[in-house]
Amino acid sequence: EVQLLESGGGVVQPGGSLRLSCAASGFTFSNYAMTWVRQVPGEGLEWVSAVSSSGDSTYYADSVKGRFTISRDNSQNMVYLQMNSLRAEDTALYYCAKGYVTMIDSWGQGTLVTVSS
Amino acid sequence: QSALTQPASVSGSPGQSITISCTGTSSDVGAYNYVSWYQQHPGKAPKVMIYDVSKRPSGVSNRFSGSKSGNTASLTISGLQAEDEADYYCSSFTSSSTWVFGGGTKLTVL
Repeated sequence: EVQLLESGGGVVQPGGSLRLSCAASGFTFSNYAMTWVRQVPGEGLEWVSAVSSSGDSTYYADSVKGRFTISRDNSQNMVYLQMNSLRAEDTALYYCAKGYVTMIDSWGQGTLVTVSS
Repeated sequence: QSALTQPASVSGSPGQSITISCTGTSSDVGAYNYVSWYQQHPGKAPKVMIYDVSKRPSGVSNRFSGSKSGNTASLTISGLQAEDEADYYCSSFTSSSTWVFGGGTKLTVL
């Protein structure tokens, strides 16, 4: 069974940083691209970033480009999202997800990030 | 990276069929056959219902079907059931190698 467990969310001041982590299990992690999607409670889904299976290629939404960095460690089955220069509009539930391009076929339960002074 | 356009809400009675549209551009929906649809119940993570425009993942009911014409994709749910009541999101891969979601459609089963 695929499991994705996010951690690292919390409350941070505007301009601050957070690093989200996602521990993956139940599948051959190094074979799959991984994605981060966020959702403001009560609102829609927003694609944030993706990383290729090898980690060599990364992709970002315009809204986070230059501020967020996605990475992965295939030896530890982990994917990360380093978030810098955080803004109030980055407040959301952040989902770690398996897949990219054709579909996301598994999702974690999310970790909540709140940017507030 | 503008969001794909979906109706805010649709409704139908049990047993009926409904269709949710998803309109993009020639840089996303119209560019590739990489449109997928997600169902999200309140407080839950999304679940993929359709991928590659019209393919159903294992375990998804054949009451769910997808199609595409030009820059518009569609999700059809036939034989509506109470459990289908949820939010539905379309998504598409784009020519910038990014993804874009639709704004979401709330399905109400009357």
